[in-house]
Amino acid sequence: DTEVTQTPKHLVMGMTNKKSLKCEQHMGHRAMYWYKQKAKKPPELMFVYSYEKLSINESVPSRFSPECPNSSLLNLHLHALQPEDSALYLCASSQDGRGGNEKLFFGSGTQLSVL
Amino acid sequence: GNSVTQMEGPVTLSEEAFLTINCTYTATGYPSLFWYVQYPGEGLQLLLKATKADDKGSNKGFEATYRKETTSFHLEKGSVQVSDSAVYFCALIMNYGGSQGNLIFGKGTKLSVKP
Repeated sequence: DTEVTQTPKHLVMGMTNKKSLKCEQHMGHRAMYWYKQKAKKPPELMFVYSYEKLSINESVPSRFSPECPNSSLLNLHLHALQPEDSALYLCASSQDGRGGNEKLFFGSGTQLSVL
Repeated sequence: GNSVTQMEGPVTLSEEAFLTINCTYTATGYPSLFWYVQYPGEGLQLLLKATKADDKGSNKGFEATYRKETTSFHLEKGSVQVSDSAVYFCALIMNYGGSQGNLIFGKGTKLSVKP
């Protein structure tokens, strides 16, 4: 199994809603990532978890809250988002996130629209 | 800082034409280099990679050679197919432990192949 599974595929939410994005992998990877991709732009790194600990937070606003319950699961909790947060949110995983030879496996993403 | 520059698209080709997508990088050390492909409505898939100078990455008829002297990693394919239509991202990651999955992407090049 070389898949990274993300749910839901599409999400529409209001600015006062609370929602969560979910990501799962069963490749035994110990590093997991959240990326944000705006239309026609490259992905931008948001968070990195390595061995279930948050190791990188790229100055992401607190309305985005990541959680890594175990090595296979990664969540992104959303609260009080703004319309400009509308984007494709990509999850990825890799062996352990400790080197330049890491191969990242990406999920298909959650297309988020904030109204 | 570290960055990736790739040719602006869109690139439109006829089936069986030769493809080149230029990519150059700026890095303070010795990065690993990647090409990712994103098909419409999907996440990113690793197409090929090279981890040191003069390495050639290849996959599905695509090739790219890590050229340290010109800081380039151009993507080539001898005969494109309609199914190659996608957005192609050149990316780098630094070869030290602290990089932790921080892929630095170029802006992406959209390729459209006509029958």
